[in-house]
Amino acid sequence: DAGVTQSPTHLIKTRGQHVTLRCSPISGHKSVSWYQQVLGQGPQFIFQYYEKEERGRGNFPDRFSARQFPNYSSELNVNALLLGDSALYLCASSLIREDYEQYFGPGTRLTVT
Amino acid sequence: AQKITQTQPGMFVQEKEAVTLDCTYDTSDPSYGLFWYKQPSSGEMIFLIYQGSYDQQNATEGRYSLNFQKARKSANLVISASQLGDSAMYFCAMEGSNFNKFYFGSGTKLNVKP
Repeated sequence: DAGVTQSPTHLIKTRGQHVTLRCSPISGHKSVSWYQQVLGQGPQFIFQYYEKEERGRGNFPDRFSARQFPNYSSELNVNALLLGDSALYLCASSLIREDYEQYFGPGTRLTVT
Repeated sequence: AQKITQTQPGMFVQEKEAVTLDCTYDTSDPSYGLFWYKQPSSGEMIFLIYQGSYDQQNATEGRYSLNFQKARKSANLVISASQLGDSAMYFCAMEGSNFNKFYFGSGTKLNVKP
């Protein structure tokens, strides 16, 4: 069975641009969470989506938004990119919202120049 | 506010020896979950072990065990019989009772020496 997939693998953007990152959860998983991991730090929680609704939000500005589609895949959008947005963006899926075991994807490495 | 603290930026251990990675947490939630993840240099996050706040016994998964001391708010990871493949970053994490937020510590880099 396929694990969590994310695209693209790497991305280079310029300050002020917009970016969309994509995540496909494990088949049957209905909950998707997004994390930002700056180099040398632990992941920071951005969003949790369950059954296409936002169920949790971390301490990130409104430039960050996300959505979940009927097939449970998800997009993370970041507007007006800043140099500080350069990070590894991780997506994780779980079967249900209360499922403690999250499965992480390989991440998307975003570089903002 | 929820907070996870890992005070060991880096650790060395000899192959085949045991090692303890420290984690303390702070929360006002009546129930919560505690986790440990491994992140090799490839970047993937690998789930290792879970401890619920109301679990009476310490969690174990193969060579991994979680030393849970609720009164001290600590959730240390013990790796027995270290292997070279255990060299990686290790993150402690916590989920609150609403299951809608997840908090990671800053990580500990473990190096296993042959």
